[in-house]
Amino acid sequence: AAGVIQSPRHLIKEKRETATLKCYPIPRHDTVYWYQQGPGQDPQFLISFYEKMQSDKGSIPDRFSAQQFSDYHSELNMSSLELGDSALYFCASGIRTSGANVLTFGAGSRLTVL
Amino acid sequence: KQEVTQIPAALSVPEGENLVLNCSFTDSAIYNLQWFRQDPGKGLTSLLLIQSSQREQTSGRLNASLDKSSGRSTLYIAASQPGDSATYLCAVNQGGSEKLVFGKGTKLTVNP
Repeated sequence: AAGVIQSPRHLIKEKRETATLKCYPIPRHDTVYWYQQGPGQDPQFLISFYEKMQSDKGSIPDRFSAQQFSDYHSELNMSSLELGDSALYFCASGIRTSGANVLTFGAGSRLTVL
Repeated sequence: KQEVTQIPAALSVPEGENLVLNCSFTDSAIYNLQWFRQDPGKGLTSLLLIQSSQREQTSGRLNASLDKSSGRSTLYIAASQPGDSATYLCAVNQGGSEKLVFGKGTKLTVNP
């Protein structure tokens, strides 16, 4: 079965550079969530989309932005990168139907800022 | 604000032992609760999902229980194996959105 695809799997950037992470949700899933997991930390919710519209926002820095495109894939754009942005970034997708609310997570994109 | 706590932070057991991981949450108005497994540097694998109306879920050697009124869940692992070594994360869905609030996890080591 198709899973949530994230790319790139690993990314190394310098401070003040820009990075873009991509997420391809499971076909027919209509929600996408982005999480950030710092070293030794629990995943923190960043932002979510439902049917290509932003549906919820968490602790996402102003330097970050995200969108969901017509083909339902999503991109997380991070500018003016800081050392503290080094983390594992997860994308998850789900179907907004009653009774389930189950998210499937991708394998993550590991960003290292030098 | 929902807070999820997992105890213990780390656990080391000999192979074959039965064990219990604990999760507590401050706001009992949850939609569901999930247990995840995470291997070092890897993604999140969903193990069990318990809806708020349910008391427990079982999958193989895993059994998760939920006591919503007291804000607690446990993950029971029977006959532990070295391959069970990983970090186990508990997450609650508050309802209203699918956003999950995670605990910091319990790092389990099963020694051969």
